[in-house]
Amino acid sequence: DTEVTQTPKHLVMGMTNKKSLKCEQHMGHRAMYWYKQKAKKPPELMFVYSYEKLSINESVPSRFSPECPNSSLLNLHLHALQPEDSALYLCASSHWTSGGKDTQYFGPGTRLTVL
Amino acid sequence: AQKVTQAQTEISVVEKEDVTLDCVYETRDTTYYLFWYKQPPSGELVFLIRRNSFDEQNEISGRYSWNFQKSTSSFNFTITASQVVDSAVYFCALSVNPQGGKLIFGQGTELSVKP
Repeated sequence: DTEVTQTPKHLVMGMTNKKSLKCEQHMGHRAMYWYKQKAKKPPELMFVYSYEKLSINESVPSRFSPECPNSSLLNLHLHALQPEDSALYLCASSHWTSGGKDTQYFGPGTRLTVL
Repeated sequence: AQKVTQAQTEISVVEKEDVTLDCVYETRDTTYYLFWYKQPPSGELVFLIRRNSFDEQNEISGRYSWNFQKSTSSFNFTITASQVVDSAVYFCALSVNPQGGKLIFGQGTELSVKP
């Protein structure tokens, strides 16, 4: 079972709104990731949580606020976004296993449109 | 710094043709990990394969095969007897972290298989 779920599938929000993206995995993985993907571009890493602690923040603007309530859940809180933040937001998870055996499994993504 | 180059932006083939997607990587690390992901129009990235730098054995999985050559820093992906369902964007990715972390993606190759 390699399922990572994301809600909502689509989200339209205004620049003054506050919204949240949710990601969930039940594979016993200890690391979770947020990626941003613009059209016709590869995914770009935003944040990594390992063992529920923020491990990597790729200099993401503060209008994006991640939260990892437990090892199965990952949220991305959105506030005061700009139209250029419109993108596909992908969540991924992995075991965080050493020895080069770690593989990231991705969810279906949330398509975000900022008006 | 690490880099992944997928020189083929778009490839179009007719069903049942064989097709090879090229991937060239750059890294100064002696230990690294290479991946291929498939992204159909639905948006989810589907994991296809992971190859560690110390394992140069080529791999075949059904109609898919991968050719890893350290001498030319390439990790090419061949689909034999392509099918319409193979139509997708394919990403090659590199990681130098043995325990999860950042994936460095190529720009992706959009494969279109026509009936």
